[in-house]
Amino acid sequence: AQSVTQLGSHVSVSEGALVLLRCNYSSSVPPYLFWYVQYPNQGLQLLLKYTSAATLVKGINGFEAEFKKSETSFHLTKPSAHMSDAAEYFCAVTSNSGYSTLTFGKGTMLLVSP
Amino acid sequence: DTGVSQNPRHKITKRGQNVTFRCDPISEHNRLYWYRQTLGQGPEFLTYFQNEAQLEKSRLLSDRFSAERPKGSFSTLEIQRTEQGDSAMYLCASSLAGSGSEGMGTQYFGPGTRLTVL
Repeated sequence: AQSVTQLGSHVSVSEGALVLLRCNYSSSVPPYLFWYVQYPNQGLQLLLKYTSAATLVKGINGFEAEFKKSETSFHLTKPSAHMSDAAEYFCAVTSNSGYSTLTFGKGTMLLVSP
Repeated sequence: DTGVSQNPRHKITKRGQNVTFRCDPISEHNRLYWYRQTLGQGPEFLTYFQNEAQLEKSRLLSDRFSAERPKGSFSTLEIQRTEQGDSAMYLCASSLAGSGSEGMGTQYFGPGTRLTVL
């Protein structure tokens, strides 16, 4: 069984500040991990993914995430927040068998103030 | 590549009515997934297809729900005798299986269909 925990349903930052969204996973098999972003009334857009290659993964819009097996974490960061980053972010896990569905966390709403 | 499309984008219905949603995946993708997302929650898996075969169904998928993917292209999700608890965003995603580690498990989502049951 797999699960994802996202700490903090809401995170508030000022424009230009560091963004850190936390994700911890539980998986009995080596995982693939994903971050998706969702803007209001829209579907999910893939930000980045970890598929057992490099542990530091760079994604779109300046985001990156680091896979830490010892901490079972996959936190999402961005050095400098932009107003357009305000959205809901979801961490998801699947097994690396390629035949599994995604299990999502409950999401973290990122609020960016000027 | 036109992305995953879903229709309709919004559906308002009365309790007890039947509704049907359509999903058109990315053209070369052989896998298609349905998820449901309620307010304040992440998407929850409902079912998925590989080509035309329905390979897995979640226990969330009650017998009022049925999904099809004839000919392995578009898919429909039907809800019979809708209940207020069915109100949610229904998301469709597609992926390409068997393309190596970079392709496996990467699902691309459509914009969703928001269902409101009155």
